[in-house]
Amino acid sequence: SQTIHQWPATLVQPVGSPLSLECTVEGTSNPNLYWYRQAAGRGLQLLFYSVGIGQISSEVPQNLSASRPQDRQFILSSKKLLLSDSGFYLCASSLAGQTGELFFGEGSRLTVL
Amino acid sequence: AQSVTQLDSQVPVFEEAPVELRCNYSSSVSVYLFWYVQYPNQGLQLLLKYLSGSTLVESINGFEAEFNKSQTSFHLRKPSVHISDTAEYFCAVTPTGYSSASKIIFGSGTRLSIRP
Repeated sequence: SQTIHQWPATLVQPVGSPLSLECTVEGTSNPNLYWYRQAAGRGLQLLFYSVGIGQISSEVPQNLSASRPQDRQFILSSKKLLLSDSGFYLCASSLAGQTGELFFGEGSRLTVL
Repeated sequence: AQSVTQLDSQVPVFEEAPVELRCNYSSSVSVYLFWYVQYPNQGLQLLLKYLSGSTLVESINGFEAEFNKSQTSFHLRKPSVHISDTAEYFCAVTPTGYSSASKIIFGSGTRLSIRP
């Protein structure tokens, strides 16, 4: 089965600072990769997904960007953080054709002050 | 477009009591349905899924869910809960026919708390 590694687990950053959250996948090749943000009481919001190296689809306009420099690496970035970027960020992967079966990392909790 | 409604944000129950977590969805196309579980400070894990066939699906730890197309529901049940079931549970739906999970929609979650 797939294993998703995310880091850092916890991050406290000042407003206006940059952000880089990293995610790597083990146990599979050519996965579909996803970044979600989870807000309390509001479920999960899909931010970005990727079906291959360099292929990024953005689901919502925002202050964040994503990149996939390698097959099993997915990075979430920001040049200048906003207070509203605070939240719990989850990286996930799926196999092509395995619709809806997502494997999640442990999450990264971001607090912007 | 699809939507998912989890009617209860919190469900407190006593240990060894039965529990039902409710999930209703709306969709104009065929869907797959899922329940995910999130333990404190962790990511989500797939608990069970309905893709086709028998409308009653079961997990390895005693949970079951029944797909009811006429009522557009996919309620999650367990006849006797344990302390270790304390977690947040998310219902999710996705339209059939897609090769990625980019169309999956999650409910807002139900926090299940077990009292000894």
